[in-house]
Amino acid sequence: QVQLVESGGGVVQPGRSLRLSCAASGFTFRNFGMHWVRQAPGKGLEWVAVISDDGSTTYFADSVEGRFTISRDNSQNTVYLQMNSLRTEDTAVYYCTKENQNHIGYYFDYWGQGNLVTVSS
Amino acid sequence: EIVLTQFPATLSLSLGERATLSCRASQSVRRQLAWYQQKPGQPPRLLIYDASNRATGIPARFSGSGSGTDFTLTISSLEPGDFGIYYCQHRDTWPPAGTFGPGTKVNIK
Repeated sequence: QVQLVESGGGVVQPGRSLRLSCAASGFTFRNFGMHWVRQAPGKGLEWVAVISDDGSTTYFADSVEGRFTISRDNSQNTVYLQMNSLRTEDTAVYYCTKENQNHIGYYFDYWGQGNLVTVSS
Repeated sequence: EIVLTQFPATLSLSLGERATLSCRASQSVRRQLAWYQQKPGQPPRLLIYDASNRATGIPARFSGSGSGTDFTLTISSLEPGDFGIYYCQHRDTWPPAGTFGPGTKVNIK
């Protein structure tokens, strides 16, 4: 069965960096785009970043553009989110999610359990 | 940039009642719309994709409809496990950003 397991979260001071990992299994990882979505405490879902199946294309939300990078290692079935210059407003549970697509559109069919990142001094 | 609006913000209904949740896009998204259910402490779960297709394992009481800018998620007869927050979502070809609506909270009376 499909599994997405995030790791790397924790407490970090403003201005510092953190890298999240998401280990995937149960599907052919190299064939699918992957996204990161976050949820601040008590708030809704906010899309963060996407990476294409081969890693050649990435795109970011305006709120993290220039501070976050996304990458993947298809040999290790893992996607990463490198978060630099962290701000208190980046505090959230971060989910990695698998993208699926068909002739109509795209959707997120599997999600990890989430990883809490707290940015605080 | 496409903006998704959901209404109502909160819905309080009794078990067995019909729930109707709405999602409106700021411009046409054709049928590229998905619905997710999220319960406290859990990740979102895909319910509906392509506006009207139920995801694997989703009960038939959940149905989606609409195209263009106006979409509806209907729960035909509410069960205790249906409480939670429901989000609509769109992801276009380009830019490949995944936009979410603000959510509708469903409370069971």
